Amino acid sequence: DTAVSQTPKYLVTQMGNDKSIKCEQNLGHDTMYWYKQDSKKFLKIMFSYNNKELIINETVPNRFSPKSPDKAHLNLHINSLELGDSAVYFCASSQVDSWGDHTGELFFGEGSRLTVL
Amino acid sequence: QKEVEQNSGPLSVPEGAIASLNCTYSDRVSQSFFWYRQYSGKSPELIMSIYSNGDKEDGRFTAQLNKASQYVSLLIRDSQPSDSATYLCAVTPLNRDDKIIFGKGTRLHILP
Repeated sequence: DTAVSQTPKYLVTQMGNDKSIKCEQNLGHDTMYWYKQDSKKFLKIMFSYNNKELIINETVPNRFSPKSPDKAHLNLHINSLELGDSAVYFCASSQVDSWGDHTGELFFGEGSRLTVL
Repeated sequence: QKEVEQNSGPLSVPEGAIASLNCTYSDRVSQSFFWYRQYSGKSPELIMSIYSNGDKEDGRFTAQLNKASQYVSLLIRDSQPSDSATYLCAVTPLNRDDKIIFGKGTRLHILP
């Protein structure tokens, strides 16, 4: 039973199209994230949600819109795709401790490889 | 700008030797420190966490933390070819609403 699952695993699409990636976690965690990993393998945070509330929104183009319908789900919609959007997108989740602080232990999904042609 | 620095490698180590991976961080009030391993084409997985100064051992892995020097390291004893991967250092902030920062990773190659 996969803890953090993302779909689809692969997307190949043309520039200008719109695409969505879905993520679900069954760990009961309060916090979910979207990370982007580029060709140089640098893992960069895009968004963080805590209990459906947006906590972190890095300097990401507004073509990227996250949505969290509940604390177990975090989806990512990308409009007007560009070549530079090609990357692997990882969803992750973590729990906060009893003080509400990060535990720092992230559980990652398998990643969604997006290729924009 | 809070940063986590790692040597990108590749670091080549003979099988059976000790692999030493290093990480420095800029935010002096960072709370917790983690090492993630990422195999090619796979997602990162947590292998070690360390919260206080000193050494923490888990099997063949030892994490070392020196907060005064803002330095974290990971030692892998008796290196195996299966240890070949990219190792990511991650640092958590004091502020719960601040982001967890990853280094760019060090590629480790264990030579059979």
